[in-house]
Amino acid sequence: GENVEQHPSTLSVQEGDSAVIKCTYSDSASNYFPWYKQELGKGPQLIIDIRSNVGEKKDQRIAVTLNKTAKHFSLHITETQPEDSAVYFCAAIQSQGGSEKLVFGKGTKLTVNP
Amino acid sequence: DADVTQTPRNRITKTGKRIMLECSQTKGHDRMYWYRQDPGLGLRLIYYSFDVKDINKGEISDGYSVSRQAQAKFSLSLESAIPNQTALYFCATSDWDEQFFGPGTRLTVL
Repeated sequence: GENVEQHPSTLSVQEGDSAVIKCTYSDSASNYFPWYKQELGKGPQLIIDIRSNVGEKKDQRIAVTLNKTAKHFSLHITETQPEDSAVYFCAAIQSQGGSEKLVFGKGTKLTVNP
Repeated sequence: DADVTQTPRNRITKTGKRIMLECSQTKGHDRMYWYRQDPGLGLRLIYYSFDVKDINKGEISDGYSVSRQAQAKFSLSLESAIPNQTALYFCATSDWDEQFFGPGTRLTVL
């Protein structure tokens, strides 16, 4: 089955710096790669996603890149702000006989220091 | 009002007790999921349901059972709780790719 590895597990940056979180996946059939942000005391919330037919997607200060050949994808946050502090999860769709379900990485705790 | 609600939000129980966690959604989605979150382990899928008559085991279903009472309701039961089931539990719904999560239930088994 699908396996998603996420690095680093913790990341601390200064406000205004960039942050990069990387994930690798094992199933070459996976074709949907979302990123979720979990703030303290809340459930995860989708912040950006990418499908296998594109290599990069941007939404204001966040971007995601996908390298299908290497089976890895990354989240880039520019001009970080304290409110970006949260746990971030990457995920990949594992498709098994039409029953698609997400497989999540173990998460990255991002701390943005003022 | 929240689209995905979970009750209770916090629960402390003792080993051997039967516990039910409930999830309701107003998004009209067919797909519903139960996840468990442990520190350093991310989100692990317990059970999922793609419609009212469909129940599927996830990665870590042992010790858990579910009931899909209606399109909007999906309950998770621990028949005989044990301490290593202490965790944060999330319900989620989706209509296709994006999943919408509830606020979570923090369960402590003593």
